Parts: sequence; C-alpha cells; structure tokens
Amino acid sequence: QITLKESGPTLVKPTQTLTVTCTFSGFSLSTSGVAVGWIRQPPGKALEWLALIYWDDDKRYTPSLKTRLTVTKDTSKNQVVLTMTNMDPVDTATYYCAHRGVEVTEFDYWGQGTLVTVSS
Amino acid sequence: QSALTQPASVSGSPGQSITISCIGTSSDVGGYNYVSWYQQHPGKAPKLMIYDVSNRPSGVSNRFSGSKSGNTASLTISGLQAEDEADYYCSSYTNSSTLVVFGGGTKLTVL
Repeated sequence: QITLKESGPTLVKPTQTLTVTCTFSGFSLSTSGVAVGWIRQPPGKALEWLALIYWDDDKRYTPSLKTRLTVTKDTSKNQVVLTMTNMDPVDTATYYCAHRGVEVTEFDYWGQGTLVTVSS
Repeated sequence: QSALTQPASVSGSPGQSITISCIGTSSDVGGYNYVSWYQQHPGKAPKLMIYDVSNRPSGVSNRFSGSKSGNTASLTISGLQAEDEADYYCSSYTNSSTLVVFGGGTKLTVL
C-alpha cells in the first residue's frame, strides 16, 4: 500500500525559505522509472505542478519557479524534500507530494497535503 | 491562467450524465494520449479517476469515462450521484519545458 505524507511549517515569513518533506512508504524511489512530484494549490484555486524527481535523481521544475525550487531525495529514509526560496504571500498554498509510477505520466497516489501560509 | 481550459462549473441531477471538457493544444492534449483526470472533494487531496485518456484505475466506478478528440479531452460521469459533487481537474503531459500541465478545475454540482 502506497502512502505519502507531507510535513513542514504552517507559517513562513516573506523572503524566508520553505522546506517541506514528503515521507512515503509502499514503494522505493530507487526503483527504475519511479518518480515523486510536488504540486501546490492556493486556497480556492487550481492545482499547479512544481517539480518532479526521478529514481535516477533526474529533476524537473516548472519553468516559472525553477530559480527558486530545489528537490532532493533520501532513498534510505524514503523521503523527498522540496525547498522554495524567497517565499511571498502569493506562495500561500497547500503543498502536495504524489507518486508517479514506472513510465507513466499520472500521479496515482497523493499525500494529504500541508497548508503553508506566507505572512509577516 | 492554467494551461488547459476547463469550464468553471457544470451541474446535473442525480441519474443524469454530464461531460467536462478540457481544451489544450497539440503540444499537450492533442499530441499525446497522456491525459488524466482527478477528483477533489473539499479539504481533501486529489484522487486519480482516469489516466491515459480513458483508463480507470482499479476501484474507480465505471460511471466515469474519458475520451479525447483533437486538442480536447472529456470526462463523462454517468448516473450522477450526490457523492460525485466535487472539483475535477484534467492534466496532461506536455512536450514543453513545463512537463506537466493542469486545467483550471471544474466544480460539479449535483442538483
């Protein structure tokens, strides 16, 4: 059974760096073809894809946020970490991590999400 | 502004069928059979309902079906039930540097 859970701060100040951790079980990020993605959703708004990290440590980022995003993985801990620098109130959103299976494009399992508010 | 265009809202009565459209371009929806649909109830995480245009994951009701014509993908829900009331998002692979695009979401109201 695949599960994912996000953890991190609920409140960050403008200009600070956000670090959100995704802890997962039921799969290994060392399995060929597997990936974990990050998606966010501002309150009342649509989903927005942020980043993807593959089993081989290949990383992809949404172009509009590429300079602010970093995604890393710790296979031994079954964790993926998303870092976003220079946070702004417009970055207030629920941040989700999600599993992407071998050579597929859909996200079949999602974490519960974590709401991050950016405010001074 | 989302990359894929969906109607903001649709509605239907119990037992009826509704269809939600998702308009993209030849770089995403029209170019690949990699369209997926997600259902999201308030305060909950999205749930995969359709992948690769028309495939249903195990456990998803066969009342949900997907299709595609040109640059437009569609999600059809037949035999509407109260529990289907939710937001629905389409998503597609894209050959641009964006890689993954979502629609703006459609709120389904079951009257």
